[in-house]
Amino acid sequence: ETGVTQTPRHLVMGMTNKKSLKCEQHLGHNAMYWYKQSAKKPLELMFVYNFKEQTENNSVPSRFSPECPNSSHLFLHLHTLQPEDSALYLCASSQDAYGYTFGSGTRLTVV
Amino acid sequence: GQQLNQSPQSMFIQEGEDVSMNCTSSSIFNTWLWYKQDPGEGPVLLIALYKAGELTSNGRLTAQFGITRKDSFLNISASIPSDVGIYFCAGRRTGANNLFFGTGTRLTVIP
Repeated sequence: ETGVTQTPRHLVMGMTNKKSLKCEQHLGHNAMYWYKQSAKKPLELMFVYNFKEQTENNSVPSRFSPECPNSSHLFLHLHTLQPEDSALYLCASSQDAYGYTFGSGTRLTVV
Repeated sequence: GQQLNQSPQSMFIQEGEDVSMNCTSSSIFNTWLWYKQDPGEGPVLLIALYKAGELTSNGRLTAQFGITRKDSFLNISASIPSDVGIYFCAGRRTGANNLFFGTGTRLTVIP
């Protein structure tokens, strides 16, 4: 596997469910990111991790909880989501801040 | 937060036509990047620019880093149907760790 891999590609969950999104990068990068992409809106930065340490939390509600156990893996734990949280969630990695490499995303639908 | 204004928001063109889109910011950037996103996928890096005035090509794509360092342009020559997608500009300010993304230009190519 090369690049940035996200699983699952599609997820449908109820508002009371708990689920997790997974991201794995095989590029040796030192930074990883979660972005939210909603229809007709710009990419919204959610979280940034540098060398496994969270360096930015962009005022994201606590129902989204990130985890970065090592520099190759990033998770986004989801709990008690709302329908407006339905979106494409993109993971990216970079070496410092040069040229982010994105995964294919997880299409999340909250019902 | 930082705003990148990207225009136009959408374009409908005939196959074979040339395309131009641009991105402007209120701040000076030291890096400009252009990405393309296909439906259901993550953005893919097309061109990276690191110096004011720089003009870089990638096949039929040409991008320029504006002299003022507050804008960038992307041109696509002789468009083909597979050029369809959303094009995003992204920039990084001096001293900032993260990229800021534009709102995207949705390109439709009519065969």
